[in-house]
Amino acid sequence: DAGVIQSPRHEVTEMGQEVTLRCKPISGHNSLFWYRQTMMRGLELLIYFNNNVPIDDSGMPEDRFSAKMPNASFSTLKIQPSEPRDSAVYFCASSPNVEETQYFGPGTRLLVL
Amino acid sequence: SQQGEEDPQALSIQEGENATMNCSYKTSINNLQWYRQNSGRGLVHLILIRSNEREKHSGRLRVTLDTSKKSSSLLITASRAADTASYFCATDWNTDKLIFGTGTRLQVFP
Repeated sequence: DAGVIQSPRHEVTEMGQEVTLRCKPISGHNSLFWYRQTMMRGLELLIYFNNNVPIDDSGMPEDRFSAKMPNASFSTLKIQPSEPRDSAVYFCASSPNVEETQYFGPGTRLLVL
Repeated sequence: SQQGEEDPQALSIQEGENATMNCSYKTSINNLQWYRQNSGRGLVHLILIRSNEREKHSGRLRVTLDTSKKSSSLLITASRAADTASYFCATDWNTDKLIFGTGTRLQVFP
């Protein structure tokens, strides 16, 4: 298996622009997680899905952030409009079930100017 | 606030030495996991220990869990330069998601 796939790996954009991050989980995994990592705040869980249904989005910082999982093999995290404070590395992870080992993607490094 | 707090925040050792990292958490758990993150990469799962287990081994890794003290330790024996990374503990707070600690940055000098 190729593991969790994220795209793009790097994104540089200007403040106010829409940013879409993409994730393909490991086939057969039922849970998908979006995290944000910064030096100041560490690794934060933004939202997670179980069987394509959003379970907990309490970590989503603002209404500017939204996430979808239209099917078992694809998820997006969208920021609209983006702001410089959104600059971070965004990780997607998947697991067979919520409480089990999580497999992380390589991350998307986002820089908002 | 963070569920897990690692200690120390940073650790520097020579190759061949053992490295010990500690994790403390606040609420009851079902399991505790340790992850490693190399610079610029995603996290990689190392080991999972359940609340009814006290010790677990995997290669050069040894993890202990003391639920009465709400703490865990990760021991890396005979460290190598390739072990240089950040190490995170994660607990299943409220059983529905993992909460990661702040991490320990380990530097192993050849």
